[in-house]
Amino acid sequence: NAGVTQTPKFQVLKTGQSMTLQCAQDMNHNSMYWYRQDPGMGLRLIYYSASEGTTDKGEVPNGYNVSRLNKREFSLRLESAAPSQTSVYFCASTVRVEQYFGPGTRLTVT
Amino acid sequence: AQSVTQLDSQVPVFEEAPVELRCNYSSSVSVYLFWYVQYPNQGLQLLLKYLSGSTLVKGINGFEAEFNKSQTSFHLRKPSVHISDTAEYFCAVSDNSFGNEKLTFGTGTRLTIIP
Repeated sequence: NAGVTQTPKFQVLKTGQSMTLQCAQDMNHNSMYWYRQDPGMGLRLIYYSASEGTTDKGEVPNGYNVSRLNKREFSLRLESAAPSQTSVYFCASTVRVEQYFGPGTRLTVT
Repeated sequence: AQSVTQLDSQVPVFEEAPVELRCNYSSSVSVYLFWYVQYPNQGLQLLLKYLSGSTLVKGINGFEAEFNKSQTSFHLRKPSVHISDTAEYFCAVSDNSFGNEKLTFGTGTRLTIIP
C-alpha cells in the first residue's frame, strides 16, 4: 500500500497562475481532506469530501476549488494563485476517525 | 465547534529527561482526542488517540497521554526522550457524533532534544 500520495512535492507559481494539486489514496477510505499548514497556525481545513460525489467547505476555502474525481482521488485547484496561498498543503483520508496524511506539497507563489 | 490550545510553541529538553507537552480543548459535546507527530519535511503521523474507556492511552515510541475531562486537557508525556523525538507535535480534537470525522488542530509544539 502506498497510502496517501500527493503530486507535485514542490511548486513555484507566479501570481495569477493556476494549478491543480493531486491526491490519491489506495486504502478504500470514504473521507478525504485538504489542509494548509502555515508557521504558528497548525493545520487548517480547506475542503473535505465525506464520500465520492460530495464536497464541503472547511475553515479557509476562499481561493480554492476541489474535485472528488472518484473514491481514490481528491484534487485541489488554485484558479488564480496569490502570495497568501504560499503554504504547505496536505491531503488526508480517514477510516474510523483516524486520519492518514500524505507527504505534502510545498507551494510558493511569487 | 471545538478549539484546541497548545500552550507551548517550543519546548527544549535534554536527552533522557522527561517531557510533557500540554494540550487543552474546548467543546460543548463529547470528543475524540489525538496527538500527531510531524518529523522534518514529512507529513503527520498518528502518535495516539483517545476514543473512550481508559483515560490513560499509550502510543508509539514510548509516548502516553492522559484524558482529563474536568480540566479539558490531554497532555502528552514521555519519561525519557531521545534525539529522534525532535519533531513538531500537534494535538487535535473531533466531536464524536456519528459521521463526523473532521479534526481541529492546535498550533503545534516544536520539541527540540538537546544532546
